[in-house]
Amino acid sequence: DVQLVESGGGLVQPGRSLRLSCAASGFTFDDYAMHWVRQAPGKGLEWVSGISWNSAGIGYGDSVKGRFTISRDNAKNSLYLQMSSLRAEDTAFYYCAKDITGDTDMVTLDYWGQGTLVTVSS
Amino acid sequence: DIQMTQSPTSVSASVGDRVTITCRASQAISSWLAWYQQKPGKAPKLLIYAASRLQRGVPSRFSGSGSGTDFTLTISSLQPEDFASYYCQQARSFPVTFGGGTKVEIK
Repeated sequence: DVQLVESGGGLVQPGRSLRLSCAASGFTFDDYAMHWVRQAPGKGLEWVSGISWNSAGIGYGDSVKGRFTISRDNAKNSLYLQMSSLRAEDTAFYYCAKDITGDTDMVTLDYWGQGTLVTVSS
Repeated sequence: DIQMTQSPTSVSASVGDRVTITCRASQAISSWLAWYQQKPGKAPKLLIYAASRLQRGVPSRFSGSGSGTDFTLTISSLQPEDFASYYCQQARSFPVTFGGGTKVEIK
């Protein structure tokens, strides 16, 4: 079975950094693009970032561009999100999600993790 | 960026009702649209992709249609487990964007 397990969330002060991880299992990780999607409590879904199977294709949402960096380690079946200059509006559940293809030109997310909560507050 | 507008934002319906949710894109996206269902405290679940293709394991009472800028998700006969929030998402170009969501509530 496909499993995506996020970790690294928690309480962080504004302006600080945090790194999220997503451990994948149950599928051939390096065949698929991967994404981060977030959801502020009680709000809708917001795509954060995506990365192709070979890291050649990367994209970011407008609200995080220049502050967040996505990466992957196919040898470790892991996806990462390095978040810097965090703001209160970054407070959300962060979901790791698997794409149905290896590229990032037709994003469709067929498996999602359970999410990790990031709270940005002083 | 492509803006996705869903309507209605909420709908009250009874078991057995037919429910239709619409999603409009700010520019043409061909058939690059997906629909997700989300229940409280859970991760979203893919229902429909490429506008009309049913994801494996999803009941056939769910269907999707449309192309270009206007899309529809239909639940033909609402079941108790279908009370949830539904989101559309365009897959045409970066940045990926979601609709604001539609909450299907019990009447």
